[in-house]
Amino acid sequence: AQSVTQLDSHVSVSEGTPVLLRCNYSSSYSPSLFWYVQHPNKGLQLLLKYTSAATLVKGINGFEAEFKKSETSFHLTKPSAHMSDAAEYFCVVSAYSFSGGYNKLIFGAGTRLAVHP
Amino acid sequence: DTAVSQTPKYLVTQMGNDKSIKCEQNLGHDTMYWYKQDSKKFLKIMFSYNNKELIINETVPNRFSPKSPDKAHLNLHINSLELGDSAVYFCASRGGETQYFGPGTRLLVL
Repeated sequence: AQSVTQLDSHVSVSEGTPVLLRCNYSSSYSPSLFWYVQHPNKGLQLLLKYTSAATLVKGINGFEAEFKKSETSFHLTKPSAHMSDAAEYFCVVSAYSFSGGYNKLIFGAGTRLAVHP
Repeated sequence: DTAVSQTPKYLVTQMGNDKSIKCEQNLGHDTMYWYKQDSKKFLKIMFSYNNKELIINETVPNRFSPKSPDKAHLNLHINSLELGDSAVYFCASRGGETQYFGPGTRLLVL
């Protein structure tokens, strides 16, 4: 079965410092992984996705994530945080049911990123 | 143009009432979903339709009934609303491996 674990429920950084949001996954086959961001009272926006191509994935707004199979990790990073990055971030794995023939997303619990001046 | 839209954005209602939330996508996708986000921000899938056919029903109470009149629309009807139904409901549409989410409908049951 597929699952994701976000290792930190809250992360607080200063503006201009690096961001690291950690995610470990569990999958019985090669997974598709995603990071979504949710700003306060807003919908979910796709930041980036990994679908078995390059292991280092670049997304929007300067974010990137590296797929590490040996560590079953897909951590999200950004070199320099902006105030506008303050939001909830979700690590997500795509689960495919071979018996049901359908695809669904399984979300991590989320990491709230706070950015201080 | 909004890719996935939902109406209404906010819904405040009394316990026991029946309400509907509408979702439309203009991406030409075949598969659409409903997710529920609880007060702790946890997101869980409820239903999925592929080309108007129900393909996922994640043990949601039968007070919740999705309806897909065509593949661009997936509506959610909720009967006999309960306090625990208060949440944000997100519609999504899938293209390839990626799901695109609507802005959410914030439901408050009093």
